[in-house]
Amino acid sequence: GAGVSQSPRYKVTKRGQDVALRCDPISGHVSLYWYRQALGQGPEFLTYFNYEAQQDKSGLPNDRFSAERPEGSISTLTIQRTEQRDSAMYRCASSLRSSGNTGELFFGEGSRLTVL
Amino acid sequence: TQLLEQSPQFLSIQEGENLTVYCNSSSVFSSLQWYRQEPGEGPVLLVTVVTGGEVKKLKRLTFQFGDARKDSSLHITAAQPGDTGLYLCAGAKGAQKLVFGQGTRLTINP
Repeated sequence: GAGVSQSPRYKVTKRGQDVALRCDPISGHVSLYWYRQALGQGPEFLTYFNYEAQQDKSGLPNDRFSAERPEGSISTLTIQRTEQRDSAMYRCASSLRSSGNTGELFFGEGSRLTVL
Repeated sequence: TQLLEQSPQFLSIQEGENLTVYCNSSSVFSSLQWYRQEPGEGPVLLVTVVTGGEVKKLKRLTFQFGDARKDSSLHITAAQPGDTGLYLCAGAKGAQKLVFGQGTRLTINP
């Protein structure tokens, strides 16, 4: 497809389990962002990459959260030992530009995580 | 602490009325974007403003970037039900980290 693709769309897991959320950006897009969004609220920044390099991970809540983009394309956000407070919509976005003024972000449909 | 404060958080008006949504911060941004998000979907870019004092128009929507590049406003003229949605401002600081405000939930009643 031509858009940002995220999987799984829905994930229900038990507390203490690890989860991996995948993002496949628009082909050729240099920058990739991860956000977390509560219902009716604005997206909360987690981390972003230019190519394979993680430029800023200041938004990751704690060391249970990590992200990678090893080949500069697909990215994985991993949450270890999930807790109920991790339940949220996780959104990925990609952008064509890598520097200068921020380019348009194209968002995926999100991965809805529910931790029981 | 919210870096970008949007007001009002909720706004419900009748079709045909005008409205203004504000996005304020104590920080200076290199650029500011406005997005609209509909239920079940991701945010979609409406406009990017870069220069202090810049005004951009998109049909019935007028966007303004403050002279000091710390705030922005979105004005909608003659609102229509199709304008209903969550409006988000987002500011870029430093090396293009983009942070969002908490959003303004707009409802236009027929």
